[in-house]
Amino acid sequence: GENVEQHPSTLSVQEGDSAVIKCTYSDSASNYFPWYKQELGKRPQLIIDIRSNVGEKKDQRIAVTLNKTAKHFSLHITETQPEDSAVYFCAATPNAGNMLTFGGGTRLMVKP
Amino acid sequence: DSGVTQTPKHLITATGQRVTLRCSPRSGDLSVYWYQQSLDQGLQFLIQYYNGEERAKGNILERFSAQQFPDLHSELNLSSLELGDSALYFCASSVTPGEAPAFGSGTRLTVV
Repeated sequence: GENVEQHPSTLSVQEGDSAVIKCTYSDSASNYFPWYKQELGKRPQLIIDIRSNVGEKKDQRIAVTLNKTAKHFSLHITETQPEDSAVYFCAATPNAGNMLTFGGGTRLMVKP
Repeated sequence: DSGVTQTPKHLITATGQRVTLRCSPRSGDLSVYWYQQSLDQGLQFLIQYYNGEERAKGNILERFSAQQFPDLHSELNLSSLELGDSALYFCASSVTPGEAPAFGSGTRLTVV
């Protein structure tokens, strides 16, 4: 089955700096890669996703890039703000339409 | 509000007991997932249903079982509870398997 590894497990940045979270996946058939943000004590919420037919997708201050050859994808957050502090999870799913496999999560702390 | 409803929000029970967690998916969603999240841990996939049938099974203990009913709501049954079963249990739903599911607010289970 699919295996998703996520790095780093914790990330601390100064407000205004950029943050990058990286994930690798094992199943070359995976073609859908969503990212979730989970604030303390709350449910995970989808923030952005990318499909394997595109290499990059942006939504305001966040962007996701995908390298199918290397089987890794990354989340980029620019101009970080304190409200970006949360745990971020990457996920992947193969073309068979099976359930998402999540990475272990990255705790992002943005210092004011 | 994601549209996924989970009840109860909190549950405190003793070791050895049995509990049932309930989930109502978003209107129109046929796929239901259950995830377990222990303190400071990632999202561990338990089981997935699609239109009433089991679609995929993760690291779900034999003491745990689930089902999806004809009206598409789902229940997760946890029996012979142990202290280590204390966790946040999330239900999520999507229209089809493999799409990014929307998560409910979770049921926090505390076993004492």
